[in-house]
Amino acid sequence: QQQVKQSPQSLIVQKGGISIINCAYENTAFDYFPWYQQFPGKGPALLIAIRPDVSEKKEGRFTISFNKSAKQFSLHIMDSQPGDSATYFCAAPLLTVTASKLTFGTGTRLQVTL
Amino acid sequence: KAGVTQTPRYLIKTRGQQVTLSCSPISGHRSVSWYQQTPGQGLQFLFEYFSETQRNKGNFPGRFSGRQFSNSRSEMNVSTLELGDSALYLCASSLAWARGANVLTFGAGSRLTVL
Repeated sequence: QQQVKQSPQSLIVQKGGISIINCAYENTAFDYFPWYQQFPGKGPALLIAIRPDVSEKKEGRFTISFNKSAKQFSLHIMDSQPGDSATYFCAAPLLTVTASKLTFGTGTRLQVTL
Repeated sequence: KAGVTQTPRYLIKTRGQQVTLSCSPISGHRSVSWYQQTPGQGLQFLFEYFSETQRNKGNFPGRFSGRQFSNSRSEMNVSTLELGDSALYLCASSLAWARGANVLTFGAGSRLTVL
C-alpha cells in the first residue's frame, strides 16, 4: 500500500524558533499537496497547499518547500508561537486504480514552549 | 458558507451493535470522503463517494459501508461493532472536478466509543 512518510512524530520548539516537518511520498497524481492543522477536539483544517509544479509557497509564517525529483516536501513554521501548538498532517494525492485519493502522513505533534 | 456538518458528534455503543454516521458536505461539493482517525494509526481512508457512487475504497472490512444521496449528503455504517472501532470518524468534502479539488474540507468528526 502506498504511503506518505512523515517525520518527526513530535517536535518541541521554543517560541520564536523554526518548526520543520518533513514528508516523503510515492507515486502521485498531478494535484495539490496540502498540509492540515488539527487542534484537540477539532477536525483537521487546511493550512496551506502547493501545486506540484511549484517549488515553494509561502503564506505568512508558513512555507511549503517541494522537491519533486526527491518526492519530498516540507512545512516550515517561522517565528513559531504557542498558538501553533497542534498536530500537523501532510497529504499527497496518491494514485489508485480508479482515481487519486488524498493519503495522509501519520502526523506531527508540535509543542511550542514559552 | 456553511462547513461540513457531521452528526452525531459523540456516541457510545456496545460491541455487536451497529452505528450510522451522517455527513452534510459544503454546498456545491459533490465528493465526500470518510476517514478513521485513531491515536496509533493517524488518518486512515475509508471510502470516497462522488455522484452517489463509491469511487475509492480503503482497506477496511466489509462491516464498514457507506452511501451518498442525490443531494451529496453521505452516511457511513459500521455493523457488528468491535472495541477497535472506537475512533474519530471524519467526513470531508471537495469539489472533485477541478485542479486542487483534492483539497478536502473536514467536518469536526463523530467520536465513537465502543464498550
